[in-house]
Amino acid sequence: RKEVEQDPGPFNVPEGATVAFNCTYSNSASQSFFWYRQDCRKEPKLLMSVYSSGNEDGRFTAQLNRASQYISLLIRDSKLSDSATYLCVVNDYNQGGKLIFGQGTELSVKP
Amino acid sequence: DVKVTQSSRYLVKRTGEKVFLECVQDMDHENMFWYRQDPGLGLRLIYFSYDVKMKEKGDIPEGYSVSREKKERFSLILESASTNQTSMYLCASSLSTLGGARQETQYFGPGTRLLVL
Repeated sequence: RKEVEQDPGPFNVPEGATVAFNCTYSNSASQSFFWYRQDCRKEPKLLMSVYSSGNEDGRFTAQLNRASQYISLLIRDSKLSDSATYLCVVNDYNQGGKLIFGQGTELSVKP
Repeated sequence: DVKVTQSSRYLVKRTGEKVFLECVQDMDHENMFWYRQDPGLGLRLIYFSYDVKMKEKGDIPEGYSVSREKKERFSLILESASTNQTSMYLCASSLSTLGGARQETQYFGPGTRLLVL
């Protein structure tokens, strides 16, 4: 079983749609959670950290369910510029500073 | 703003050549990482370093070595390049190992696309 699992997609949605990505992680001791965004042929960039109570940044909402070891990212009112791959990331509790990356979910927003 | 730079965006080398990939960060980060990214395989950790002169093997260290002589610089070395090392190489840095999202957030360089012929 992979340590961080994501649906690879692609998710093809029209502009203005709401889209949700899910991610599961295997190590219940993990403490830090993130969503990164990676544009085609570019480096990953931090989109947002995920906090236990859930957090929102504009059109983006991240949620964490520790009991189910599940993380989600909701994007409302999708824009063409949201097209990218979204990486679910979890810290390696056994080795501080090390992050474990999911393979990513590809999103394509169409006009 | 954190800035992580990599010495080359594109590199073409021949099988058997020794290849050096350089990475520099300007935010006094303690931790530095080298990944490779391949289609369908995602990001895989090659080596990382928590401090000057320190190095730790990641998930796929075979065929690679690293050097960290200065805090801001972390070099990846392919001792004898092979065609299966054709990939996108990404360097990243983070603040510390104290734990917590702020310390562990990794910042990536733009990547080096290496082609080994």
